[in-house]
Amino acid sequence: KAGVTQTPRYLIKTRGQQVTLSCSPISGHRSVSWYQQTPGQGLQFLFEYFSETQRNKGNFPGRFSGRQFSNSRSEMNVSTLELGDSALYLCASSTRGQGADTQYFGPGTRLTVL
Amino acid sequence: AQSVTQLDSQVPVFEEAPVELRCNYSSSVSVYLFWYVQYPNQGLQLLLKYLSGSTLVKGINGFEAEFNKSQTSFHLRKPSVHISDTAEYFCAVNQGNFNKFYFGSGTKLNVKP
Repeated sequence: KAGVTQTPRYLIKTRGQQVTLSCSPISGHRSVSWYQQTPGQGLQFLFEYFSETQRNKGNFPGRFSGRQFSNSRSEMNVSTLELGDSALYLCASSTRGQGADTQYFGPGTRLTVL
Repeated sequence: AQSVTQLDSQVPVFEEAPVELRCNYSSSVSVYLFWYVQYPNQGLQLLLKYLSGSTLVKGINGFEAEFNKSQTSFHLRKPSVHISDTAEYFCAVNQGNFNKFYFGSGTKLNVKP
């Protein structure tokens, strides 16, 4: 089975712009979670989608949003980019999205905001 | 909210020496516990997880971890490390609330020849 894929792998944007990141989960996985990883804050949970519905959301401003499509692929969007949004954004998928399930991570999208 | 503490941000160790990476969590309720490894420029890979049952959990690459409920700890151990174990290791907790995981700040393991 193919693993979790994320596109693009690298992005450079300027402040005020918006960006959309894409995640394709492992085939058959219905849950997709997003995390932001920075040296200062570590790994922080952004949100989780299951069957096109957002079930959980972390403590991030409304500029961060996401969605999931019927084929389980997910996108996250960040509007009005700030310098502090520079980070590695990781996507993870699992079968049922339950706490005991193993999450499989993609390689991440490295976003740099100038 | 749950918090996960990895006390050691960096652990240097010589090849073939034993290593222990420490992890403590805050919740006293039932939790699921995980250890992930991240190699440079890659995502996270599951090493092992504790769901219930035996408190000693064995994972991939010779790693194991012990769940200690009274001390709310889940330390990761390996009896003999290799250069290839050089990576960052993350402890994570899930309270069963769907896929909302709390991660520790990570421990960078640096294995020296």
